[in-house]
Formats: sequence, structure tokens, C-alpha cells
Amino acid sequence: DIQMTQSPTTLSASVGDRVTITCRASQSISGWLAWYQQKPGKAPKLLIYEASSLESGVPSRFSGSGSGTEFTLTISSLQPDDFATYYCQQYNSYWTFGQGTKVEIK
Amino acid sequence: EVQLVQSGAEVKEPGESLKISCEGSGYSFTSYWIGWVRQMPGKGLEWMGIIWPGDSDTRYSPSFQGQVTISADKSISTAYLQWSSLKASDTAMYYCARQSGAARRFFDYWGQGTLVTVSS
Repeated sequence: DIQMTQSPTTLSASVGDRVTITCRASQSISGWLAWYQQKPGKAPKLLIYEASSLESGVPSRFSGSGSGTEFTLTISSLQPDDFATYYCQQYNSYWTFGQGTKVEIK
Repeated sequence: EVQLVQSGAEVKEPGESLKISCEGSGYSFTSYWIGWVRQMPGKGLEWMGIIWPGDSDTRYSPSFQGQVTISADKSISTAYLQWSSLKASDTAMYYCARQSGAARRFFDYWGQGTLVTVSS
């Protein structure tokens, strides 16, 4: 099984901050990684796929990078709507999610 | 517009059986895999299994193999997740999600979730 480890678990930030979340895979997954945003009581929403491709309709302040075992999600300027929990997901071999990173208001 | 609409919340007792559903619309239901994802209270997302509605080819996560059954009825564009004997530890939100494509194996559309509560 491929394990996914996100860091940090919780991130406190202010509106306008640049925010970076890291996701590490236990073995190489090439670029087969997606990022999702989840708000309380809602289903996850796809943000990024294939590590760096922005899903249609997602604001350009979101970006993804990485390959192999190390990946990052960056929010260039945090907006009030971005306070949520973010999950990475590998789809190289079946599917595994990271444990999530909660972005909260500082 | 692609939509996945799940059945409503359920409250069950331990030992009871349950089948929840996920109806797809706005796309060719038989041409995309449908997956199921569990989210226990206050916890993260766990992939449970996936089905190809075209021929009901199904794959399970080892963690859920033998614990649940995934099925589909392509005539009504609906996928199902069922339990034969619920446990309190099955209390969770369950989501269905569509795999984007054969070579694009992320989940692009999600259902709204079905909350299952198992309590005596």
C-alpha cells in the first residue's frame, strides 16, 4: 500500500498570506496526485490533478507542484473562502488520501 | 450538468443491514468508474472501493474487503454500498465519487454524502 503523509496537520494563517502544504508518498507515484478542498459538512472539491493541473473553475491562486514522492499545494494569497481542510490523494496504485491539513484563521 | 445524488441519512441499530445509493446523471453512467469514500466523524477520507457500472467490475480496498458490498444497476444509473450487519464503527459519512476517466483516475465529481449512524 502507498501511504500519503501531509504536513502540517494544522496551519494558522491570515488573509493574504502565502500558504504551502506538503504531501509525501511512501514510494514514487510519478505525477499521479490530486488535491481536494473540503469545508465542514460538504463533499470534497477537486482543486488540482496530475500534481500541477488546475481544475476548471478553480482560482489561479491555487497551484501544485512536485513529482515522485514529494508534492506541494500553494495558495498564493489566502482568501476568506480558503479556510478549509485540504487533502492530497495518490492514484498511481488504487487510491490513498493524506490525513488532511486544516487551514484555520490566525 | 454532471450530478451524483445520494440517498438520505440513515439511523440503524447494530446488526441491521443497509444499502445506500448514488444516482448519476448528466453523463454516460456506464463509461466512468464510481468510487466510495468513508469519512468517520472528525477524521479524514478513506477509499473503500470502486465499480465499473458497465459490467459491475469491482475493486475493494483491503481494509474494506469483506466488510461491504459495492454494486450497480446500470438501467437506473445507480451505484450502491451495502452492509449485511452494521457495527457502531460503521458510523460515518459516505461519499460516492466519479473517476474522471480511464487515464485520469482522480475523482472529479462527488455526491453530497450519506450520513450513516449506527447506535443502539
